[in-house]
Amino acid sequence: GAVVSQHPSWVICKSGTSVKIECRSLDFQATTMFWYRQFPKQSLMLMATSNEGSKATYEQGVEKDKFLINHASLTLSTLTVTSAHPEDSSFYICSARDPGASYEQYFGPGTRLTVT
Amino acid sequence: GQNIDQPTEMTATEGAIVQINCTYQTSGFNGLFWYQQHAGEAPTFLSYNVLDGLEEKGRFSSFLSRSKGYSYLLLKELQMKDSASYLCAVSGDYNDYKLSFGAGTTVTVRA
Repeated sequence: GAVVSQHPSWVICKSGTSVKIECRSLDFQATTMFWYRQFPKQSLMLMATSNEGSKATYEQGVEKDKFLINHASLTLSTLTVTSAHPEDSSFYICSARDPGASYEQYFGPGTRLTVT
Repeated sequence: GQNIDQPTEMTATEGAIVQINCTYQTSGFNGLFWYQQHAGEAPTFLSYNVLDGLEEKGRFSSFLSRSKGYSYLLLKELQMKDSASYLCAVSGDYNDYKLSFGAGTTVTVRA
């Protein structure tokens, strides 16, 4: 099946710094990728939809200036958490949709962000 | 808005059967997904239902009733490795493919 990778798998940063997370579709071209956040013992919450060549669409309550999304190519989307704070510590997961597949989204392995 | 409900926790014995229910109220419907998620890992796809009825895939089966806004995931011949969180997710719109997730059901399999 299709493979989606994320990098890094975990990162620790200091409060006030920015962190970039990459999401790549390895064997298909993804016009649409999704970014989720998951706090401990909670479900996945969609943050934004990343569209190749256009601006991302953010869900209500997600600050677009804090969570910068860039979908520069058909295989790469990046999420940058700017001026990170401890409350941003979470598990960030991306998924990508293969236009050749009718419905399935493929999830990356996730990135554990810890802000100290 | 989207409202997806599933039980928080379930416990069962190895070799037994467990049924995880999911009810949903969404503004649109373009399919219901079940995912398995082990702690600290990303979700893995289990099943997809868009028409009413039962879909069987090995030890796992999923059922959908669109008129009732109801689905269940049936896990048979439980194994210890099936201990995980099971997420019900609904795709509400044909055009945007966004998924709304339930809170997840933690299944614990005991020997």
